Amino acid sequence: SAVISQKPSRDICQRGTSLTIQCQVDSQVTMMFWYRQQPGQSLTLIATANQGSEATYESGFVIDKFPISRPNLTFSTLTVSNMSPEDSSIYLCSVDPQGPYGYTFGSGTRLTVV
Amino acid sequence: KQEVTQIPAALSVPEGENLVLNCSFTDSAIYNLQWFRQDPGKGLTSLLLIQSSQREQTSGRLNASLDKSSGRSTLYIAASQPGDSATYLCAVRNQGGKLIFGQGTELSVKP
Repeated sequence: SAVISQKPSRDICQRGTSLTIQCQVDSQVTMMFWYRQQPGQSLTLIATANQGSEATYESGFVIDKFPISRPNLTFSTLTVSNMSPEDSSIYLCSVDPQGPYGYTFGSGTRLTVV
Repeated sequence: KQEVTQIPAALSVPEGENLVLNCSFTDSAIYNLQWFRQDPGKGLTSLLLIQSSQREQTSGRLNASLDKSSGRSTLYIAASQPGDSATYLCAVRNQGGKLIFGQGTELSVKP
């Protein structure tokens, strides 16, 4: 299965600033996904990122708040913009299923906004 | 709209006990179902993937079953160990390709 390197693993940020999270995959993948996991909650899909096209956002998430880049088939970034304490969550990237292994996830970015 | 529910929300068992975690989903038109493990503050580790045409999958001490018609899956953990302590998440993949997660079961295995 694909191996995903996600960074940073954690960060503490001031409100009003932005943080960019990176995911690097060790093989070419068609789709990459970004999820948010708020404290004590399950995962919610933010958007799907295909290479060469605009990301598709889920209801409740907008591009101005969560801009996504997908410059090639192995890399994507998610930016959390103009952060507030409500953005404190774990953010995870994932790639489309790799054969029998299903979805693979990065190790997550634990964001705290103060 | 697909909804995934996991019961119980939390479970504490003594070491060595066999246990079952439950997952139910409202729309039986799924592509597959996947069980994950999540350690506190960490990412997800895939445990088992069951295709919609399959009834069960096994990996070591883990066995996952799927009854698509009744909208249920179970994860059976044999001879539990303290290292099994984590949150277990089930997720269904719809025909459209999206993954819908349950709220998870937080498992604690006491030595």
